[in-house]
Amino acid sequence: GDSVTQTEGQVALSEEDFLTIHCNYSASGYPALFWYVQYPGEGPQFLFRASRDKEKGSSRGFEATYDKGTTSFHLRKASVQESDSAVYYCALVRGSALGRLHFGAGTQLIVIP
Amino acid sequence: EAAVTQSPRNKVTVTGGNVTLSCRQTNSHNYMYWYRQDTGHGLRLIHYSYGAGNLQIGDVPDGYKATRTTQEDFFLLLELASPSQTSLYFCASSDAGDQDTQYFGPGTRLLVL
Repeated sequence: GDSVTQTEGQVALSEEDFLTIHCNYSASGYPALFWYVQYPGEGPQFLFRASRDKEKGSSRGFEATYDKGTTSFHLRKASVQESDSAVYYCALVRGSALGRLHFGAGTQLIVIP
Repeated sequence: EAAVTQSPRNKVTVTGGNVTLSCRQTNSHNYMYWYRQDTGHGLRLIHYSYGAGNLQIGDVPDGYKATRTTQEDFFLLLELASPSQTSLYFCASSDAGDQDTQYFGPGTRLLVL
C-alpha cells in the first residue's frame, strides 16, 4: 500500500541553522506530495504541494522538490526561526484517490533561540 | 479561510461507553474527514464524506461509525469505546475542486479509561 516515511522523529536546531527533514514515499503511479505543519495546540495546516517530477513546492521560506528517481520530497529551509518550531508532516495522495491523504509519522522541529 | 470547529475539545469516558464527537465547518466544503493522531503513526484517516448522507471508509475504520447529517456537520461515533481509541481526533474539510488542501479543526482529545 501507499506509505510515507519520515526518518527523523525530532530535529533540534539553533536559530539561523539550515533545516532538512527527510521524506520518502512508496506508492504506485504518480502521487501528489504534500507538506503540512502543525503548531502546538492547533490542527495541521497545508504548507505546499508538488504534483510532477522535479516540481518544487514552496511556502513561508520552506521548499521541497519532487524527486521520482529517489522517491523523495525532503523539506528544507535556509534559516530557521524559533517560530518555526512545530511538527511537520509529509503526505501523499494518488491521483485516483482524491482527498485520501496518507501522512507520515511526523517530525518535530525544535528551534532553540 | 475555512472555519472548522470541533466539540467537545476534551472527553473522558470508560471502556464500553458511548461517545459522539462533533465537527462543523462553515465554508460550504463538500468533503469532510475524521482522523486520529497518535505518536509514531501521524494522522490516520478513519472515515470521510463527499456530502450530506454520503460516507466513505478510511484506513482505520474498525470500532468507529460516522454520519454526515448536513453539508456542515460530520459526527464520529464510538459505540463501545475501548482504551485503544484513546487518541487526539481531528476533523477536516476540503473543497470539491481541491480535495487535497484540507482545513483542520483544533482537535478533540479523548481518553478511554
